[in-house]
Formats: sequence, structure tokens, C-alpha cells
Amino acid sequence: DAGITQSPRYKITETGRQVTLMCHQTWSHSYMFWYRQDLGHGLRLIYYSAAADITDKGEVPDGYVVSRSKTENFPLTLESATRSQTSVYFCASSENRNTEAFFGQGTRLTVV
Amino acid sequence: GDSVTQMEGPVTLSEEAFLTINCTYTATGYPSLFWYVQYPGEGLQLLLKATKADDKGSNKGFEATYRKETTSFHLEKGSVQVSDSAVYFCALHDSGGYQKVTFGTGTKLQVIP
Repeated sequence: DAGITQSPRYKITETGRQVTLMCHQTWSHSYMFWYRQDLGHGLRLIYYSAAADITDKGEVPDGYVVSRSKTENFPLTLESATRSQTSVYFCASSENRNTEAFFGQGTRLTVV
Repeated sequence: GDSVTQMEGPVTLSEEAFLTINCTYTATGYPSLFWYVQYPGEGLQLLLKATKADDKGSNKGFEATYRKETTSFHLEKGSVQVSDSAVYFCALHDSGGYQKVTFGTGTKLQVIP
């Protein structure tokens, strides 16, 4: 199916564990993004990527790692999860700077 | 850096009422401006966009005009429906070398019959 998919949709993990959220898009869009959505903060950019092997920090990158070895995949890793990283995470992609961003359905992550 | 400011919610309206959600922005250069909508349990989807000053974006009865002189992109609809209940996000895509999208905090709209 064409589109952008995130997995898993829901995840519960313990403090200190490493967890990876997956994002896959089928359009070969150059740009990909990771956001977290928290009440009162809207969406905050964690990391973004302009192309394979090119990534850069967003507004709230601490505690997160990304990679982009292939254009279609953009995984987000929490190296040692903390309770403050409990959030809904959205992956998005877009073709260029003037086109819309397409969002996945989100991953609800709970760190206990 | 870039920023987007939206009016606080929630906004509660009766069906067929007029809607305005204010959005102002700060950016260098010439950003593109977008409104996204998020229905419960879903990701964001594009509602409308404008890529240059004085452009008007429109979709599903919603409109917004890119006003460079007031750095605003207010969302309007003449007659809301219950199905319009959602969270609305104003966003800008910067015009720099790498595209970055900056979102407002979102405005929750509830339309009651």
C-alpha cells in the first residue's frame, strides 16, 4: 500500500530500555521528519532528514537518535527511555519545501 | 528562529456558526503556510496551503489568506458542521536550504448540534 506507515502503533516500555520506532514511506520523498505531540506543546520537531544519509536536529533532539540509510526508512531510537519521553510520535514526509507533509498515524509510547 | 502562534482553545461553536482561528507567524525569508487538521486518533492531514503573499488557500469550505504585512494566516469557515470537530494546526515551511516545518500548538474545535 502506498503511503507512510509507522510501527508499532502502541508501545509500553520500561525506563532505561532502548526502543526503536519505525517509519516507512513509499513515495521516495526526499524529506522526512519526526515529531512528538504533547498536550500544551503541539507538535515539536525532534529530527529531520533532507535525503538519505543527511539528518539534522530539530527543536527537542536530546535522548533520541535517527538514521537514514535508505530514502524510504527513517527509524527513531530512544537510547535509554525516560518517563518524559512518554508521548505520541508522528513521522512525516514531503517531496520538497513547498509541498505538504504527509503524516503517519502515530505511535503512542508510554515509558513506565 | 521560526515560530507560529495560534489562538488558545478549545473553541466551542454551534452548528452553522462562523469560525475564525487566528494564526500569526515569525519567519525569515518567504515561508509557505499551511493549515493541517487532526481528527481523533489520526495523524495530521493537509487542509489548505498558500505559498506566497496574498495567496488564498481553500478546501472543504475553509479559507485562509497569506497576509505578509500582518504576518497572519487566519482560518475561516462560514458555516461549521459537527464533522468539523477536530484539532487544527497552523504551520510554516521555511524557505531555507533544508525544509523545516514549524507548527503552532493546535486549536481544538468542538461543534455542537
